[in-house]
Order: sequence, then structure tokens, then C-alpha cells
Amino acid sequence: GQQVMQIPQYQHVQEGEDFTTYCNSSTTLSNIQWYKQRPGGHPVFLIQLVKSGEVKKQKRLTFQFGEAKKNSSLHITATQTTDVGTYFCAGLESNDYKLSFGAGTTVTVRA
Amino acid sequence: ETGVTQTPRHLVMGMTNKKSLKCEQHLGHNAMYWYKQSAKKPLELMFVYSLEERVENNSVPSRFSPECPNSSHLFLHLHTLQPEDSALYLCASSQEGGGYGYTFGSGTRLTVV
Repeated sequence: GQQVMQIPQYQHVQEGEDFTTYCNSSTTLSNIQWYKQRPGGHPVFLIQLVKSGEVKKQKRLTFQFGEAKKNSSLHITATQTTDVGTYFCAGLESNDYKLSFGAGTTVTVRA
Repeated sequence: ETGVTQTPRHLVMGMTNKKSLKCEQHLGHNAMYWYKQSAKKPLELMFVYSLEERVENNSVPSRFSPECPNSSHLFLHLHTLQPEDSALYLCASSQEGGGYGYTFGSGTRLTVV
């Protein structure tokens, strides 16, 4: 079955620095989604990417879908304490009806 | 509020108890899901209902029994649970296929004693 891998598992960032988290699928995806879960909270949908090579931005967050539609990345610039949490990617195959979630990247920020 | 409401928020139950978790969505979605989230583990998909029909039962023990009486409500009936079943149980809903994102509820924090 489909597997979605995320790296790194943990990301410790100095406030103000940039970082990137990566997501790789074992199969080609029809779309990929990103979610954020704050400590003690629940996953919240951030964005969906559909097209090969697509890039979308949300303020300091930049999301990219690979050309082969098998990988994605999330880049955060000028990290703030509000960025703390776990970021999940989730992939959807064209012949499937459910998302496959990665294990998440847990981000902590040093002030 | 997320549009997906889960009750109760916290539940402590003994191994011989029977309890139910409830999930309700008013987003007009036609697919609903139960996930289990344990500490330091990925989200585990338990059950999927699409158009009120169960389409997936992900090798979940029979002590967990889902029920979907209509497209807005989803239950998870629990009986004779084990301590290792302690976790955050998340309900989510989406349009069929999930292509526009899942909306998660706030979850039920379950502790089995």
C-alpha cells in the first residue's frame, strides 16, 4: 500500500531562522495536503497542492509539490514561536478514497 | 469550533466499562473517519464511512465498534478496552474522497484504567 514518509521527525529551530520539512510518497499522488497540529490540539488543514511543480505561499509558509507528484516540502521563513507544533503531510492517490498521513515533523522553537 | 464536534473531550474508563464516543459535523460532508493518535505514533486510521456506508475497517479489534446512523453523526462504541487503547481519538469529515481537506474534531482523550 501507499506509504508517506516525512523527514525530519523533529526540528529544533532558533527563532528567526528558516527551516524545511520534506514529505515523500512511495506512489504518485493526485494531491497532497498539509496539516498543523498545535500541542494539545487537533490537526488543522493548511493547504492542498494538486498540480505537478505547484508552489503555494501562506505568509511565511511556502509549500511545493514535486514535478513527479511524489514529494512535497514545507519551508518556513523567519520562524516564530507561533510556528510550534507538528506538521503532517497527507497524500491522496487518484484511485483511492482516503488520505495517507505521514508521521509528522514536530517543530520546537528556541527564543 | 471546527465544524466537527466531538464529545466527550475527556473520558476515563475501566477495562470492563462500555462507553461511546460521539462525533457530529454540520459541514455537509459525506465522509467521516475515526483516527487513533497515540504518543509518538503516526495517526492511525481506524474506520471510514462514505455516504453512511463503512468502506474501511483497518484491522481494528472488535472491542471498537463504529456506527454511522446518518451523514452528520458518527459513533465509536467501546467495550472491554485495554490500557494500551489509551489515546486521543479523532473524528474527521470531508467531501467524499477527501480531495478538499479533512476537518478534524478536537478529539476525545481516552484513558483506560
